[in-house]
Amino acid sequence: DGGITQSPKYLFRKEGQNVTLSCEQNLNHDAMYWYRQDPGQGLRLIYYSQIVNDFQKGDIAEGYSVSREKKESFPLTVTSAQKNPTAFYLCASRGSYEQYFGPGTRLTVT
Amino acid sequence: GQQVMQIPQYQHVQEGEDFTTYCNSSTTLSNIQWYKQRPGGHPVFLIQLVKSGEVKKQKRLTFQFGEAKKNSSLHITATQTTDVGTYFCTNAGNMLTFGGGTRLMVKP
Repeated sequence: DGGITQSPKYLFRKEGQNVTLSCEQNLNHDAMYWYRQDPGQGLRLIYYSQIVNDFQKGDIAEGYSVSREKKESFPLTVTSAQKNPTAFYLCASRGSYEQYFGPGTRLTVT
Repeated sequence: GQQVMQIPQYQHVQEGEDFTTYCNSSTTLSNIQWYKQRPGGHPVFLIQLVKSGEVKKQKRLTFQFGEAKKNSSLHITATQTTDVGTYFCTNAGNMLTFGGGTRLMVKP
């Protein structure tokens, strides 16, 4: 989908465990984004990166961490500090002006 | 990021009826983008509006940007079941802020 892959599609974890969601793009885009979507809700920005080795917090960064060591990759770690981690996580990259989204990862933490 | 609010949150329409969703900001937007997310899917870019008062059409979809660049609307004429999904607006800055979306349901 638009050259952005997220894996896995579904992920299950036990409470207290950190989990890393992958996001890879082959669109040669500089900017990448992570969003969280709860059922019936909009998209909330977690982190974004405009260039390799640089990233900024979004509106709901607490309990999450990211890295941007390569242009193609922007993994998101959901830490045990995130109080309500169960959600649909969407990664996106930005072209000249529009965003291209990956298929998303549904994370369930029990 | 800049806050954008969308109304209504939900809309049920009979197939063939028109549908409109509105996006409002408390501050002036440099531009605005619209996305559509089908149930179970991911958002897909529809259009970007840049100029004050701009109107763009895509088949049965009409997008408008307000004169003051603080609001925008998406109007669908004669809805079809394929229009089902959630429509989001967002400011198009570096830190994109999405509205809560309007979920459209179409009864055949």
